[in-house]
Amino acid sequence: AQSVTQLGSHVSVSEGALVLLRCNYSSSVPPYLFWYVQYPNQGLQLLLKYTSAATLVKGINGFEAEFKKSETSFHLTKPSAHMSDAAEYFCAVSEGGAYDKVIFGPGTSLSVIP
Amino acid sequence: NAGVTQTPKFQVLKTGQSMTLQCAQDMNHEYMSWYRQDPGMGLRLIHYSVGAGITDQGEVPNGYNVSRSTTEDFPLRLLSAAPSQTSVYFCASSPSSGGYTGELFFGEGSRLTVL
Repeated sequence: AQSVTQLGSHVSVSEGALVLLRCNYSSSVPPYLFWYVQYPNQGLQLLLKYTSAATLVKGINGFEAEFKKSETSFHLTKPSAHMSDAAEYFCAVSEGGAYDKVIFGPGTSLSVIP
Repeated sequence: NAGVTQTPKFQVLKTGQSMTLQCAQDMNHEYMSWYRQDPGMGLRLIHYSVGAGITDQGEVPNGYNVSRSTTEDFPLRLLSAAPSQTSVYFCASSPSSGGYTGELFFGEGSRLTVL
């Protein structure tokens, strides 16, 4: 069964600094990988997804993630943090197939310090 | 532009009571699912459905029932509420009919407290 780990339940960065949120996955087949963001008191929305095309995936709001099969990782980055990036970020994995399901990691809370 | 609609948004129950959380989507999505969100544990999958008449268990199905009689609706039933079921519940849907590669669309959540 697929699973996701996210190193660091809370990350703080200064405004303008690099954002790096870590995600490692476990899957018995080539996975589909996703990053979602949740702003306070809201549902989740998709930031970006990897579906076996390019290994470097660009998403909304300047975020990108790189799929590294050898490291079973899908880390999320943004070159320059903005105050509006403060939110909860979730990595998720899916294995595809007719009875597929999407499994989420525990999340990382990002704080941006002015 | 309703998307995924969950009701109620807030609910307080006493231990042992039963209730149903409603989820409806108007996007003709085949895939629907229920998650619970608890601090430090992310979203955990309760049940999911890949189409009308087809449901399956997720990571934490105990104490919950689902059915999928129509494409639009996917209600979650709590049979006998327990304090451990205090959580925020999210319904999500996706256009994929089999072989998931798409995006999940989330409702706004239902906050349940069990006393």
